Amino acid sequence: AQTVTQSQPEMSVQEAETVTLSCTYDTSESDYYLFWYKQPPSRQMILVIRQEAYKQQNATENRFSVNFQKAAKSFSLKISDSQLGDAAMYFCAYWGQGAQKLVFGQGTRLTINP
Amino acid sequence: DVKVTQSSRYLVKRTGEKVFLECVQDMDHENMFWYRQDPGLGLRLIYFSYDVKMKEKGDIPEGYSVSREKKERFSLILESASTNQTSMYLCASSLMGSGHTDTQYFGPGTRLTVL
Repeated sequence: AQTVTQSQPEMSVQEAETVTLSCTYDTSESDYYLFWYKQPPSRQMILVIRQEAYKQQNATENRFSVNFQKAAKSFSLKISDSQLGDAAMYFCAYWGQGAQKLVFGQGTRLTINP
Repeated sequence: DVKVTQSSRYLVKRTGEKVFLECVQDMDHENMFWYRQDPGLGLRLIYFSYDVKMKEKGDIPEGYSVSREKKERFSLILESASTNQTSMYLCASSLMGSGHTDTQYFGPGTRLTVL
């Protein structure tokens, strides 16, 4: 079964600086999708960014970008120019054809220090 | 914008009670999901549904059942609530049918406490 591991339960960063959240996964599939979701305090979870495994180019959405290392099974999220509104729980997730469901990591709580 | 709503933000029930958690989406999505979220465990899938009257077990279905009588509504039922079911419950929906991945849209969650 696929597993997703986020080894950093908590992270903090100064406002305007850059932070990287780590995610590793375990799979034997060659075609799959990876996601980062954000859950702000008392607010709904939303999709931040999505990466197709067959694409070599790293996905980017404004200040959010990923470092996708397929061979290493690593999928980290980089947040540039951190803002107070970035404070949230961040979840890494995997979807593959085998299980056909999202498998989530444990989450990383990100704090932004003003 | 897709809107996924859940019937309650906070709920307190007693052990042994039957509990209904309701979820409604307004974008004609095919798929609907129920997760529970616990600290240090992330989100775990309880049940999901690809179509009306269809349901599939997720990773932790024990103690739960679901109902999908209409496309927009997906209910999670705790037949006899127990204290170990105290958790945050999240509903989600996505557009595409079985075999496809698509962005999941989440509801605000229901924090259930079982005393």
